[in-house]
Amino acid sequence: NAGVTQTPKFRVLKTGQSMTLLCAQDMNHEYMYWYRQDPGMGLRLIHYSVGEGTTAKGEVPDGYNVSRLKKKKQNFLLGLESAAPSQTSVYFCASSYRRGSLTYQPQHFGDGTRLSIL
Amino acid sequence: AQTVTQSQPEMSVQEAETVTLSCTYDTSENNYYLFWYKQPPSRQMILVIRQEAYKQQNATENRFSVNFQKAAKSFSLKISDSQLGDTAMYFCAFMRIGAGNMLTFGGGTRLMVKP
Repeated sequence: NAGVTQTPKFRVLKTGQSMTLLCAQDMNHEYMYWYRQDPGMGLRLIHYSVGEGTTAKGEVPDGYNVSRLKKKKQNFLLGLESAAPSQTSVYFCASSYRRGSLTYQPQHFGDGTRLSIL
Repeated sequence: AQTVTQSQPEMSVQEAETVTLSCTYDTSENNYYLFWYKQPPSRQMILVIRQEAYKQQNATENRFSVNFQKAAKSFSLKISDSQLGDTAMYFCAFMRIGAGNMLTFGGGTRLMVKP
């Protein structure tokens, strides 16, 4: 029962490098989210997806791209095309689902990825 | 846009005592959810309790309870019989129903339970 799994758990990049963070959930949840958490702060939403093949911007989307392929709908990828020191943060993936028309379930979070950009 | 404010950056409490963490929010929505999440040093985000705005009854989960004041837009968390394992960051979060059900988090309160 893995829940939400994030890969990698820790990474150091140089400015300008690119990388992709992978989020995989085994609960067949329709909603998936990427957040970032800076020191001493709450989580802020980067991008989210309400279903396979769909993505949308959150509060802080600049510098990031996401992908949720139809064939691998339980995966949600977060990409940094050209990493900047300001993107040093802890990144969390989350997923949730809707039961019926009005009942929304809490988000389940992965354990986070600590990303440092030098 | 919604905003969530936690006015207490740090708090401490003696083991076995009771502590209340404050949270206020600003929204024009009528239907929404509110949550408290716990983040221990392990960095995991753990759901503590949730409240549906349409329910007047305050939510309770074992030693955790909330005081939800919809008109005042206040959502405080009370921890009774505090335990050392309650030491963590606590985040209040608001979820607007629809449009992806995104969470808006407060800045957090660091709680230290002292033996």
